[in-house]
Amino acid sequence: DARVTQTPRHKVTEMGQEVTMRCQPILGHNTVFWYRQTMMQGLELLAYFRNRAPLDDSGMPKDRFSAEMPDATLATLKIQPSEPRDSAVYFCASGSGRGVNNEQFFGPGTRLTVL
Amino acid sequence: AQSVTQLGSHVSVSEGALVLLRCNYSSSVPPYLFWYVQYPNQGLQLLLKYTTGATLVKGINGFEAEFKKSETSFHLTKPSAHMSDAAEYFCAVDADRGSTLGRLYFGRGTQLTVWP
Repeated sequence: DARVTQTPRHKVTEMGQEVTMRCQPILGHNTVFWYRQTMMQGLELLAYFRNRAPLDDSGMPKDRFSAEMPDATLATLKIQPSEPRDSAVYFCASGSGRGVNNEQFFGPGTRLTVL
Repeated sequence: AQSVTQLGSHVSVSEGALVLLRCNYSSSVPPYLFWYVQYPNQGLQLLLKYTTGATLVKGINGFEAEFKKSETSFHLTKPSAHMSDAAEYFCAVDADRGSTLGRLYFGRGTQLTVWP
C-alpha cells in the first residue's frame, strides 16, 4: 500500500531553533507539495516541486523557510529560526501532476509547536 | 486567480439524515474538481473527483457529487449520514485541467458533525 510518509509526526521546539521536516513521496510520483494548516488560515500551499525542481515557493516566508528535494525519495522543509507563529500542521503531498490522474496523496502531517 | 468557496464552515446533521456540503468555484473553463476528507489527526484523503464524462460522480463511503457547469458548483451529498462521516471536507479545483503544474486550489473546508 503506497503512502506518503512524514517525519517527525510531532515536534515541540523553542523559538529560535531550527526545525527540519521530512517527506518521502510515493515511489514514481514526480510532483511534491508542502502545505501548512492552521485554524486561522486553513490549508495554505507553501511550495511545490516537479522532478525535484522547485516550481513555486511564493507561499513560503523566504527569510526563514526553505524547501528542497535532495533526491527523488526525499523532500525537506526547514524553518530557521522558528517562531511561535509557525506552529501548525505541515503536510506533504505527492502526485503524478498531470492529466486526469492529477490527484494529490497526502501524508499524515507533522504537528509543529514552537514555544 | 482561481477560487473555491465552501458555503458553511460547519454543518450538523443527525445520523441517517441527508448530507449536503456545498462547493462553488470560479474558473474561466470547467476545471477538474475534487473532494477530500480529513479525519482527526490525519492527512487529507481523496473522496471523489470529476474530470470528464458523466457529471454525477460516485466516491468512497457512499458519497457522490454532481458537477453543474451552469451553476459553477460541485456539491457533495450522501443520502444517509453515519457517525463515521464526522470529519472535515475540502473541495478543490485544478483549473489547468491537469495540463501544466498540477496545482490544486482548496476551499476553506467544512466541518461535518453527525449527531446520534
